[in-house]
Amino acid sequence: QVQLKESGPGLVKPSETLSLTCTVSGGSMNNYYWTWIRQAPGKRLEWIGEIYYRGSTKYNPSLKSRVTVSLDTSKTQFSLRLTSVTAADTAFYYCARRGVGATQGTDWLDPWGQGTLVTVSS
Amino acid sequence: DIQMTQSPSSLSASVGDIVTITCRASQSIANYLNWYQHKVGEAPKLLLYAASNFHIGVPSRFSGSGSGTNFTLTISRLQREDFASYFCQQSYNTPFTFGPGTKVDFK
Repeated sequence: QVQLKESGPGLVKPSETLSLTCTVSGGSMNNYYWTWIRQAPGKRLEWIGEIYYRGSTKYNPSLKSRVTVSLDTSKTQFSLRLTSVTAADTAFYYCARRGVGATQGTDWLDPWGQGTLVTVSS
Repeated sequence: DIQMTQSPSSLSASVGDIVTITCRASQSIANYLNWYQHKVGEAPKLLLYAASNFHIGVPSRFSGSGSGTNFTLTISRLQREDFASYFCQQSYNTPFTFGPGTKVDFK
């Protein structure tokens, strides 16, 4: 079965760039969207953005100017870059696979990685 | 953005209880509504998609209903492994948005 695992630094300094990688194992990246989601302490989950296996991207407008999601299908990995971070970017970051079916409403996130905590602090 | 609300934010229940969680969208999302279970330190798990469809392997004690703006997740005969947080997510349009979550703990 497909599994996802996030990796990257757990501590980033303010104004620097947060970089995370999600490694996909047990399956192909084809025909899916690959997604980043985060949850700041005490806040609800926030969709950051996604990349389709063919390379097209969508981002949350609230983060769009600072976010890049990229894909390396040969390594079955996708990555997140978030520039100019502040304390407000401290959160658990999750990667997930989004699938879309032919039937109305069939659009889901599964599986998810277990998440990685990134703290922004000097 | 579509705003998602959930109620209650938390509840206390016992094994064998029936638990109902509601989720509301700020505009109609047809049936583009998913439910997830999340335990601390674990990956969130998809329970139901398209408001009422079981994900593979999800026990039949979980059920979902609703369309438009109002949705419900019901857990019949709560089991020990069901004590967790549950959140809804709209997949109608981007940015996809999530409910704040409902924590189900032991009474």
